[in-house]
Amino acid sequence: AQSVTQPDIHITVSEGASLELRCNYSYGATPYLFWYVQSPGQGLQLLLKYFSGDTLVQGIKGFEAEFKRSQSSFNLRKPSVHWSDAAEYFCAVAINNAGNMLTFGGGTRLMVKP
Amino acid sequence: GAGVSQSPSNKVTEKGKDVELRCDPISGHTALYWYRQSLGQGLEFLIYFQGNSAPDKSGLPSDRFSAERTGGSVSTLTIQRTQQEDSAVYLCASSYSGTNTDTQYFGPGTRLTVL
Repeated sequence: AQSVTQPDIHITVSEGASLELRCNYSYGATPYLFWYVQSPGQGLQLLLKYFSGDTLVQGIKGFEAEFKRSQSSFNLRKPSVHWSDAAEYFCAVAINNAGNMLTFGGGTRLMVKP
Repeated sequence: GAGVSQSPSNKVTEKGKDVELRCDPISGHTALYWYRQSLGQGLEFLIYFQGNSAPDKSGLPSDRFSAERTGGSVSTLTIQRTQQEDSAVYLCASSYSGTNTDTQYFGPGTRLTVL
């Protein structure tokens, strides 16, 4: 069965610093990968997604992620974090069958220091 | 346009009572999903509807959980004889066609508290 691991439960960075959130997946076939963000009291918002092609994908709010098949990873990055980026971030994989239900990682809560 | 909406936003109920949670997907979206977000289990898939096909119920945790989707639009998730472990945020999502390249758009969720 597929699984997604986000090793870091909490991360704190200073405003303006760079950010990398880790995501590892376990899935036999070509994965369809997503990063979502959840702000307090809000639903999940899609940041970016990867299906095929260029392994570096750009998303909204200045985020990018790189797919590395050899490492089974899909890490999320941002060069300079803003205070408004404080939220919980979820990596997810879609099963390649009818339905496309998402399997989520446990989430990483990002805190931003002024 | 309008996003996915869910009601109520919060629901407090007593153990043993039945509850109904409602989801209004984005207009024109044929696929609808229910997920549950809880402290112990994280985000987990519950059920999936695609058009007029039979729903995929593989994620439902027990037979106390059921869902229907009327007219290919609004969906209701029903939990019978609620238990304290049912306390969670129930999220609904919809996508245009349900393929694995589609983006799922999530609603704000219903926070269910079972006393």
